[in-house]
Amino acid sequence: GAVVSQHPSRVICKSGTSVKIECRSLDFQATTMFWYRQFPKQSLMLMATSNEGSKATYEQGVEKDKFLINHASLTLSTLTVTSAHPEDSSFYICSAPLAGGAETQYFGPGTRLLVL
Amino acid sequence: GENVEQHPSTLSVQEGDSAVIKCTYSDSASNYFPWYKQELGKGPQLIIDIRSNVGEKKDQRIAVTLNKTAKHFSLHITETQPEDSAVYFCAASGDTGFQKLVFGTGTRLLVSP
Repeated sequence: GAVVSQHPSRVICKSGTSVKIECRSLDFQATTMFWYRQFPKQSLMLMATSNEGSKATYEQGVEKDKFLINHASLTLSTLTVTSAHPEDSSFYICSAPLAGGAETQYFGPGTRLLVL
Repeated sequence: GENVEQHPSTLSVQEGDSAVIKCTYSDSASNYFPWYKQELGKGPQLIIDIRSNVGEKKDQRIAVTLNKTAKHFSLHITETQPEDSAVYFCAASGDTGFQKLVFGTGTRLLVSP
């Protein structure tokens, strides 16, 4: 299947700092990528849809100024958690559909964020 | 919006037994139903999916069935192996354009040798 990578795989930061997470589609182009958050032993919750060349669309209850998304190219989307706090600690996962409008989504390996 | 319920939350079976996980969805417009396997500390891995124009799909030991009338779909794993132990998520999607997935709550499957 298609490969989606994330970097870093895990990050520990101090409260108040910002953290950037990268999501890359390695062998295909993705005009759209999705960002999810997963708390321990819970399901995946969609945070936002990242659109190449345009603004991201956020799910209800997700602060767009807190979770900045940039989809600068057809293979890269970044999620920046600004002024991180301990409650932002979570597992962040991105996904990308294989081709424009396709339903099948491939997920990255996730990024574990711990805010102290 | 779409709501997906998944049962059971945990499932323990002996190696070689079959395992069945069931999901129901609320939006009759949903037309795509993938199943993902997630191992500890990793991202979800697509294992099988089904579209609403098909009632059943099989891939080796894994099969998925869909009942559109009742709005439920199930994952069937036969001849389970210890390496099948993981958390399994169902999902449903039906938005036009790029598909947003709504996930079930997950089933923790434990296969004992």
